[in-house]
Amino acid sequence: EAQVTQNPRYLITVTGKKLTVTCSQNMNHEYMSWYRQDPGLGLRQIYYSMNVEVTDKGDVPEGYKVSRKEKRNFPLILESPSPNQTSLYFCASSQDRGTGELFFGEGSRLTVL
Amino acid sequence: AQSVSQHNHHVILSEAASLELGCNYSYGGTVNLFWYVQYPGQHLQLLLKYFSGDPLVKGIKGFEAEFIKSKFSFNLRKPSVQWSDTAEYFCAVIPTGGGNKLTFGTGTQLKVEL
Repeated sequence: EAQVTQNPRYLITVTGKKLTVTCSQNMNHEYMSWYRQDPGLGLRQIYYSMNVEVTDKGDVPEGYKVSRKEKRNFPLILESPSPNQTSLYFCASSQDRGTGELFFGEGSRLTVL
Repeated sequence: AQSVSQHNHHVILSEAASLELGCNYSYGGTVNLFWYVQYPGQHLQLLLKYFSGDPLVKGIKGFEAEFIKSKFSFNLRKPSVQWSDTAEYFCAVIPTGGGNKLTFGTGTQLKVEL
């Protein structure tokens, strides 16, 4: 089954404790992206990756890091989480970066205390 | 850079009522347009898309949308909603021909009452 898998799905952590949200897709997609969803703000792009070893900032990259060492994986790293990073995070992938037709993961709800 | 406006933030309808959700975008060139749906507790799924051609596009579950270029609009419609259509709906836009970012509107929360 074609899917984008994120882990963990739910996480409560404390300020400053480094965490990683993993994302893996099994569709051999070149393009992957991270979004955060906040009430009243919709989805905002954090980082995206056009292909292996190619990543770039989205609209709200501050406080986040990403890496793309393999085509299928695109982890999101919060080096020193803060309460304003409490949000619902979605990973997405696309076969063709230009079409906008994204496949989304189930989401990861992160709470930073 | 492109932007998307969804004017209705919350909509409440009774079953069998007709639905129209507004979406306007701002961009100087041609775009691909989308509606995504997020059912409660689930991830976003593609509802329908417009790339080119017939400006009236049909998607899953009886939804359709009309692209009106002169108005920079891509409104979503359904003649008769069902309780199971309760969800959040997002309009999105990306420049045609290789943009890197799909820009989303802020979403419209639709509640359908029995």
